Amino acid sequence: GQQVMQIPQYQHVQEGEDFTTYCNSSTTLSNIQWYKQRPGGHPVFLIQLVKSGEVKKQKRLTFQFGEAKKNSSLHITATQTTDVGTYFCADVYGGSQGNLIFGKGTKLSVKP
Amino acid sequence: NAGVMQNPRHLVRRRGQEARLRCSPMKGHSHVYWYRQLPEEGLKFMVYLQKENIIDESGMPKERFSAEFPKEGPSILRIQQVVRGDSAAYFCASSPLGRTSGNTIYFGEGSWLTVV
Repeated sequence: GQQVMQIPQYQHVQEGEDFTTYCNSSTTLSNIQWYKQRPGGHPVFLIQLVKSGEVKKQKRLTFQFGEAKKNSSLHITATQTTDVGTYFCADVYGGSQGNLIFGKGTKLSVKP
Repeated sequence: NAGVMQNPRHLVRRRGQEARLRCSPMKGHSHVYWYRQLPEEGLKFMVYLQKENIIDESGMPKERFSAEFPKEGPSILRIQQVVRGDSAAYFCASSPLGRTSGNTIYFGEGSWLTVV
């Protein structure tokens, strides 16, 4: 079945360092969504990318969608302790907005 | 505006008992989705419901699991004869429209089921 791979699984950074997580698929992704889940919390929607090559920014976060729509990335500049959590990408499967195929996530820890 | 409300937040059941998890979608949302998250894993889609209809249950285990979203009241995810492997966080999400691209879905805070 359709799978979304995410790397790395874990990332430990010093506060102020940059962080990037990558999302890959062997098949063309339809729309890619990114979520953040704090420890013990629930997934919170960050952004959706729709177009090939799309780049969107939210303050220190930069989201990219690959030209072939088979990969996506989330980059955080100058991490802060508030960035701690697990970042998930999700493909919108079969056109149904709620049937999301999630990657396994990248767990970010930030050392002050 | 109240968000997606789930209860109970934490539930402990002995093997063989039944677990019932409830979800009230956001006001104005008529589409509900259930996801399961095992420890250190991503979320796995289980079922998509509209009022009184199951739209997509492709992620539901064939046995012991059922879901409903009645005309009145919350959506219910029911797990019969629970086993230890059912221990997980169960997240409900809702959206105003189901099959229209561009809609965000909103997750509840989850129900953590522990089977002892």
